[in-house]
Amino acid sequence: EADIYQTPRYLVIGTGKKITLECSQTMGHDKMYWYQQDPGMELHLIHYSYGVNSTEKGDLSSESTVSRIRTEHFPLTLESARPSHTSQYLCASTLAGTNTGELFFGEGSRLTVL
Amino acid sequence: AQSVAQPEDQVNVAEGNPLTVKCTYSVSGNPYLFWYVQYPNRGLQFLLKYITGDNLVKGSYGFEAEFNKSQTSFHLKKPSALVSDSALYFCAVRDIAPNYQLIWGAGTKLIIKP
Repeated sequence: EADIYQTPRYLVIGTGKKITLECSQTMGHDKMYWYQQDPGMELHLIHYSYGVNSTEKGDLSSESTVSRIRTEHFPLTLESARPSHTSQYLCASTLAGTNTGELFFGEGSRLTVL
Repeated sequence: AQSVAQPEDQVNVAEGNPLTVKCTYSVSGNPYLFWYVQYPNRGLQFLLKYITGDNLVKGSYGFEAEFNKSQTSFHLKKPSALVSDSALYFCAVRDIAPNYQLIWGAGTKLIIKP
């Protein structure tokens, strides 16, 4: 089992609320990622980080923001949630320098915005 | 541009029969190819990868994949399907330098019937 944890697993909130999805890993991985996935659909990279104080936007435009203050922690924040943000958000990590693509995923946070 | 395609949205197989989930790719240079599995309401799990060497790659849970350079394919296979193999399967290819992000297929739903 991968040591990467996401909370909450499920969240239902109203429009306009601020939310933060938490992601933590205990493997000492430098690279961390956030993907957005509609149910049963492909993954879209929205943010990634190669280490502390490093954050980059992914291929899919997103209104969310991320931070990387500690190696093990990579939270994603939506300042004002909208129904279009309803989706599943997957966090992943891997060792820096490997470039072999073997990612470890959390179990996901399923967000529903009413 | 690098890309990966999974031509089948869904594959249905009877338990005990062999299964194949198809994947084709388009990359510049030598491909780094991956298969991941996603069980319901879970994150993705790494199954296997091809970087170099033998064209037949063995992975977790009895799965294997065959790399075919001339057909630019990387099909996932298993000699005898189990009901517990029912899940969503994703093929991915590593992007070229300096990006190195994974490019994901749309996924194939595998249904194994008793």
